[in-house]
Formats: sequence, structure tokens, C-alpha cells
Amino acid sequence: GQSLEQPSEVTAVEGAIVQINCTYQTSGFYGLSWYQQHDGGAPTFLSYNALDGLEETGRFSSFLSRSDSYGYLLLQELQMKDSASYFCAVTDGGSQGNLIFGKGTKLSVKP
Amino acid sequence: DAGVIQSPRHEVTEMGQEVTLRCKPISGHDYLFWYRQTMMRGLELLIYFNNNVPIDDSGMPEDRFSAKMPNASFSTLKIQPSEPRDSAVYFCASKRGGGSNQPQHFGDGTRLSIL
Repeated sequence: GQSLEQPSEVTAVEGAIVQINCTYQTSGFYGLSWYQQHDGGAPTFLSYNALDGLEETGRFSSFLSRSDSYGYLLLQELQMKDSASYFCAVTDGGSQGNLIFGKGTKLSVKP
Repeated sequence: DAGVIQSPRHEVTEMGQEVTLRCKPISGHDYLFWYRQTMMRGLELLIYFNNNVPIDDSGMPEDRFSAKMPNASFSTLKIQPSEPRDSAVYFCASKRGGGSNQPQHFGDGTRLSIL
């Protein structure tokens, strides 16, 4: 079967750094993506990792270790507007372009 | 550029009625996906199309659900007859190309309530 595990909730304060972990188990693997979803909104793409290592995009970074079937999203200099749900998703080998989403991590940023 | 456009944004209807959700993908995108999101089950893929052809409909819950894509700029998801357990947010997403590095672009969703 295919599964992704990520924490259901994380709380942090403004200005802090938070790491959201994701472990996956899939029959095939092409890459790990991260999406952000604000309450009542649509998921929006944040990052994609196909190879091991860290990808940085502004305050957000994403890491992948294929050998450990593990990745994380790192959010730095947290702002109130970062309060949202964050989903990891894998592109498996079964179908091109098809994403399998985790259940999401709800991040609450406190002042 | 216009994003993925879904209609209606909200739909409230009674059990047993037919429901039709509509989606216009981003121009030039050749993949279209229909998802359902609930608190219990998260974001589930229902069906996806490539060049208007259904590729994988294994996520469609049952025969009450059907989806079509008559052309590159329009898709529908139909539920007939609808049941209260179909209440959810339904998202349409599109992407350009089959590469796994290509992001999916989501519409704002249709919030469906079946009474």
C-alpha cells in the first residue's frame, strides 16, 4: 500500500522556525511535493524535491532523503500569515503526474 | 493568467438530487484532476484526465459518480443521486505535462452540502 505520515498539528510563535516532517511508503517514487492550504482556500504549491538534499525558496526550505523515505518542510521567520495546513504529497511510479497526499499538518502561529 | 475556475462555489441540495460540478482548467494544461476533501479522509483523488481522456478513475467512490471532459477547457463531475455522505469540498486541479516536477494548480473548490 501507499501511505504518508505527518503530524496533525504544530504550534509555534512568530519569528520562530518550525519543521514539519513527512515519512512515506509507496510502491514507486518520483518526488515529494509540499502544498499549503489556508482555511477555506485551495491548496497551493510550495516546493518539489526529486533528489536528496535541501531546496530553499525564501523563508521556506524542503528536504528529502530518498534512502530514509523521509522529507521535511522548514519554515523560518514565521509570520501570522503562515498559519495554514501543509500537505506533503508523493508522485508515485504508478501514474504520471498523480499525487498522493498526506492528511496535512495544521500549523498555528501565535503572536 | 486566469487560474482554474470552478463553479458553483457553494451548493446546497437535498438528498437524491443530481449535482453537477464544473471546472475550467488553465489554458494549455493537459492534465486535469478531481479531488474530494473531508476532515476524515483528507484530500482524495477521484479521477484524472490527460488530453481529455480519463486515465485513472479508481478513486471514484461508486457508480453514482461520473466525470467527463468533452474538450480541453471544460470538465464536469456529476453525482446522481446525491447522498449526505457526499458532502465535502470538491477541488479541480490542472497541470502542464506529465513530469512529476510540474505543480498542480487548484481551483477554489466547490463546497457541497447534501441535506
